[in-house]
Amino acid sequence: SQQGEEDPQALSIQEGENATMNCSYKTSINNLQWYRQNSGRGLVHLILIRSNEREKHSGRLRVTLDTSKKSSSLLITASRAADTASYFCATDEDGTYKYIFGTGTRLKVLA
Amino acid sequence: DAGVIQSPRHEVTEMGQEVTLRCKPISGHNSLFWYRQTMMRGLELLIYFNNNVPIDDSGMPEDRFSAKMPNASFSTLKIQPSEPRDSAVYFCASSLSGLETQYFGPGTRLLVL
Repeated sequence: SQQGEEDPQALSIQEGENATMNCSYKTSINNLQWYRQNSGRGLVHLILIRSNEREKHSGRLRVTLDTSKKSSSLLITASRAADTASYFCATDEDGTYKYIFGTGTRLKVLA
Repeated sequence: DAGVIQSPRHEVTEMGQEVTLRCKPISGHNSLFWYRQTMMRGLELLIYFNNNVPIDDSGMPEDRFSAKMPNASFSTLKIQPSEPRDSAVYFCASSLSGLETQYFGPGTRLLVL
């Protein structure tokens, strides 16, 4: 699998439900970032979690990082239709500037 | 802050033509990245500049692609000659340093006929 591979590839939920997306990576990292991309737009940074952190919160977002399993999860609570977008994780390959983006999870929140 | 600015937002050209994409990073950022996004390959890093110097261009697909950063506030990505397989969305991103949050521009949607 690729560095920063997200799972699932697509997710469809009802408004108000929680959405969980997972990311796996291969190399050692300094940090892992999650980005959102609305259709036809650029990527927007959501949250950065460093390798020595296990959990981080930002509003309705909760990110966890397990460096022993080389995996991360993004939880969006109480989802809204406006959360409909693609979500990408990005990891710095071997702790360098070279961020590798995953293939993304396409989230659809139904009103 | 205006964010990262890219131009043009859309470009349609014919095979063989030269294409120049432009990027203005966020003021004060010393790292600049060019990415290409396609359905088949996802988001790929093409080249990375630090303090206006190209550090890694290993992602540049072919010699037809070149990038410059003549100063801290401007970068170009040039494709000459362009081919239909170059059709993609090209993003520029900047960050305070290479290891921090990257701020993306809106992208240039390129279609080569």
